[in-house]
Amino acid sequence: DAKTTQPPSMDCAEGRAANLPCNHSTISGNEYVYWYRQIHSQGPQYIIHGLKNNETNEMASLIITEDRKSSTLILPHATLRDTAVYYCIVRVDYGGSQGNLIFGKGTKLSVKP
Amino acid sequence: ETGVTQSPTHLIKTRGQQVTLRCSSQSGHNTVSWYQQALGQGPQFIFQYYREEENGRGNFPPRFSGLQFPNYSSELNVDALELDDSALYLCASSPNRRNTEAFFGQGTRLTVV
Repeated sequence: DAKTTQPPSMDCAEGRAANLPCNHSTISGNEYVYWYRQIHSQGPQYIIHGLKNNETNEMASLIITEDRKSSTLILPHATLRDTAVYYCIVRVDYGGSQGNLIFGKGTKLSVKP
Repeated sequence: ETGVTQSPTHLIKTRGQQVTLRCSSQSGHNTVSWYQQALGQGPQFIFQYYREEENGRGNFPPRFSGLQFPNYSSELNVDALELDDSALYLCASSPNRRNTEAFFGQGTRLTVV
């Protein structure tokens, strides 16, 4: 089972910031938070990941709370092309350092004109 | 474009048949993972190959098997197809077995009738 909880859906106005929350209250100290998105009929696309510090790249910002039990993905200026299912994933490490991704159902973000 | 190519894009098979799906990983990536995505669900991890050896497996029966070749491309084989095997099959490649920044292909849509 996924170790994260996300709202099933959210709406956002075009040009506004989209803030997508994720709860991961059982996260372990060495587990990272990853975000992927999946636009309809395409494979998931990597967005960003972080351990405990806030991270920013050309796509988004990731804010992780100090206790690491939750995080927020921020798309600063959402466009219609950002409409997708967004997955928050806590990456599991096995003894052999293999790290498969455990996807939940994600948040369906709809950006509206 | 992620540089990960899957073939075929669509496939229809009959229950009981066998199928082989193919994945070409991104240049320089030595790790390939396979995922199954049923309609309306997040992707589910099948298994991962690192340098031609299986490096982790999800909760899938032995009739799901795979191979990774010296050029790091990969195959997913499914024997004795069942109706519930109908899904989008996704391949992801990564530069390391910890799956940091995994890049997904567009997937193969398999329909079992």
